[in-house]
Amino acid sequence: AQTIHQWPVAEIKAVGSPLSLGCTIKGKSSPNLYWYWQATGGTLQQLFYSITVGQVESVVQLNLSASRPKDDQFILSTEKLLLSHSGFYLCAWSRRDGYEQYFGPGTRLTVL
Amino acid sequence: QQQVRQSPQSLTVWEGGTTVLTCSYEDSTFNYFPWYQQFPGEGPALLISILSVSDKKEDGRFTTFFNKREKKLSLHIIDSQPGDSATYFCAASEMNAGAKLTFGGGTRLTVRP
Repeated sequence: AQTIHQWPVAEIKAVGSPLSLGCTIKGKSSPNLYWYWQATGGTLQQLFYSITVGQVESVVQLNLSASRPKDDQFILSTEKLLLSHSGFYLCAWSRRDGYEQYFGPGTRLTVL
Repeated sequence: QQQVRQSPQSLTVWEGGTTVLTCSYEDSTFNYFPWYQQFPGEGPALLISILSVSDKKEDGRFTTFFNKREKKLSLHIIDSQPGDSATYFCAASEMNAGAKLTFGGGTRLTVRP
């Protein structure tokens, strides 16, 4: 069975500090991977997607970047956090040839 | 531009009642429509989905209807239970691997015992 793990579970960071969030998929070879952002009480907005190692497509620019260093790993980062970065960050996966997306447990980010 | 509109924003029903959530969309290229259920502090879980070639899909107490001509879809929950209390999102995309999934604004459902 596929499992998706996100780390950290929650993070409190200062404005201007760097950030790195991670996502790992186990039990699925060569998945498509996605990053979403969700404001508190809001809807989900897709940020990035990747269909293969080393390749990442940006959907929305929020002064964030993403990388896929391994087949089963997706990283979201920024060098300088803004207050507007606060929210819930979700990683999702789909099969290489599929379109159904399955979400991870999320990381709660608070920027002060 | 809000491509997927969802209503109502919040809804309260009594246990045992029927819940109806609706969505409309604008992009005619959308042909895959999932519904997600999200509990506070958790990631959304895929509840049920429908393709544009169908007009109805049923899974237990959950049924989704699709009207291509009107560009509308709905989610019906029969015999609603307090455990169904959650936020529900409709979404839409093309049926391509890696396609962008566009979400509606969500409906916060409360089922009272």
